[in-house]
Order: sequence, then C-alpha cells, then structure tokens
Amino acid sequence: EVQLLESGGGLVQPGGSLRLSCAASGFTFTNYAMIWVRQAPGQGLEWVSSVTSGGNTNYGDSVKGRFTISRDNSKNTLYLQMDNLRVDDTAVYHCAKPVTTGTRGQKSGFDYWGLGILVTVSS
Amino acid sequence: QSALTQPASVSGSPGQSITISCTGTSSDVGGYNFVSWYQVHPDKAPQLMIYEVTNRPSGASNRFSGSKSGNTASLTISGLQAEDEADYYCSSYTSSSTLVFGGGTKVTVL
Repeated sequence: EVQLLESGGGLVQPGGSLRLSCAASGFTFTNYAMIWVRQAPGQGLEWVSSVTSGGNTNYGDSVKGRFTISRDNSKNTLYLQMDNLRVDDTAVYHCAKPVTTGTRGQKSGFDYWGLGILVTVSS
Repeated sequence: QSALTQPASVSGSPGQSITISCTGTSSDVGGYNFVSWYQVHPDKAPQLMIYEVTNRPSGASNRFSGSKSGNTASLTISGLQAEDEADYYCSSYTSSSTLVFGGGTKVTVL
C-alpha cells in the first residue's frame, strides 16, 4: 500500500526556516518524480515544487529562491527546505506521487497524496 | 504563472450531468495533453479523477470523464450523486516545466 507521511510543520516567525519531510512507502521511490503542493486557508491548490527521479528541480514563482526541494532515495524521503518564510506561506503542505514513472511523471497526474502538514508563519 | 480559469461554482440535481471548464493558454492546457482533475473534500487529501486529459486512474468512478478543445479542458460528471459534492481543481503542465492549478470549482448537488 502506497503511503506518504509529511512531518516537520509548525509555527514559525516571519523570516524563519522549516524543513518538511515526506516519508514514502509502498512503491519504488527512486523511479518517481515527486511534488509539493500547498493550500492556504480558504484558498485553492498551489503547486510549490517538483523534483524528477533524476534530481532536476523546479519551483513556483512565489517560492523560488527561498525554498529548496530535495530527495534522499536511500531513505525514501522527500524534503522541502523553507527559508525566509513569509506570512503568506501559511498553508497545509502536501507531498504527492505521480501516476507514471520517469520524466513523464512530473507532467502527469498525481494519484497518491499525503494528508498534509500545517505550516503557520506568524509573529 | 497565472492560474487556470475555472467557474467558481457549478450545481446540478442528482442524476444530472454537469461540466466544469478549465481555460488556459497555448503554453499550458492548449500545448500539452497533461491536464489533470482533482476532487477535494474538506480536510481531505486531493483525489485524482482524470489525468492526461482523458485517462481515469484505477479506483476513480467511470461517471467522471475528461476532454479538451484548444485551450480549454473540461470535466464531466454524469449521474450526479450526493458524494460528488466537493471542490474540483484542474491542473496542467506548462512550457516553463512547471505545473499550474485552476482556481477551483465548488460543485453543489441540489
């Protein structure tokens, strides 16, 4: 059974940092791209970042230069390092796995999602 | 990265069919067959209903179907049921190698 479990969220002051983790199980993690998506309170879904199975990364304009996505295939874990956090980064952050493997995966749909972890940026 | 355009709300009676539109540009929806649709119930993780415009993942109801014409993709829900009441989001791959979501559509079953 595929499982994705996020951790590392919490309350942080503006300008602070957090590192989110997403522990994956039930599939061959190495073969899949992975993404982070967030949903601010009362708002819609927003794509945050993607990392391919080969380690290539992409970021949304609102987080570029502040967030860093990475993966440790030996630990089946996805990370999101969030620096210089702003109030408008407050959201539930989900990691997700694509339907398909390889480079096509980052373009395709995402069939498994973690339940999400809340990040609150406030003074 | 402008969000894709979806209607804010769509409603229908049980048993009816409804269609949700998702309008982008030639740099996203119109340029690639990588449009997905997600169902989101309150405080739940998103569920994939359609990927690559027309494909249904295993476990998704066959009452859900997708299509695309030009820069606009559509999700049709046939035989509307109470359990279909949720928010729906489209998503597309873009020419910048990014993903973009629509603003979301609230579906109400009357």
